[in-house]
Amino acid sequence: DTAVSQTPKYLVTQMGNDKSIKCEQNLGHDTMYWYKQDSKKFLKIMFSYNNKELIINETVPNRFSPKSPDKAHLNLHINSLELGDSAVYFCASSQSNGGGDEKYFGPGTRLTVT
Amino acid sequence: QQQVKQSPQSLIVQKGGISIINCAYENTAFDYFPWYQQFPGKGPALLIAIRPDVSEKKEGRFTISFNKSAKQFSLHIMDSQPGDSATYFCAASIGQAGTALIFGKGTTLSVSS
Repeated sequence: DTAVSQTPKYLVTQMGNDKSIKCEQNLGHDTMYWYKQDSKKFLKIMFSYNNKELIINETVPNRFSPKSPDKAHLNLHINSLELGDSAVYFCASSQSNGGGDEKYFGPGTRLTVT
Repeated sequence: QQQVKQSPQSLIVQKGGISIINCAYENTAFDYFPWYQQFPGKGPALLIAIRPDVSEKKEGRFTISFNKSAKQFSLHIMDSQPGDSATYFCAASIGQAGTALIFGKGTTLSVSS
């Protein structure tokens, strides 16, 4: 069974479109994250959700909005896509126990904006 | 400002050799230092992690060395194998609930047979 799954794996779209990436974890974790990996492989945190509450929101454009319908899901909605949004987006989850929790990453969604 | 600096950017090691990747951090509040391994087309996966109360941790062929006073930590891969060829990321976080990892820029390791 896949611990953290993402759909779709590949997403090709045009500038200006709105798209969503879905993430589900079956580990019973209470915290979920979205990371962006750019073309140079740099991983940067975008959002973190703990028990359905946003607790981190780094300097991400407000065109990006995370939505968590329940503890097992954290979807990423992107409005008015731009060329610079092209990247691989990783969902992750962890069980927060007060320190040093292991993050489990999904397989990633490669977004290409043309 | 990059909080976790990683070097080298790329590394080529012969099979059986030792691979060494170094990281330095700035925020003294960090108290959890993991290393993640990423294969092409896959998500990062935890390899080994250390807390600042110990100076070294070993798991199989992988060892983390930690120098709190210098704010540096490193990953040593002994007897490197072609299957170790991947991108390695050091990271750091503050041990609070839901704290995100701050990653280094990654090191691409190639182990030649």
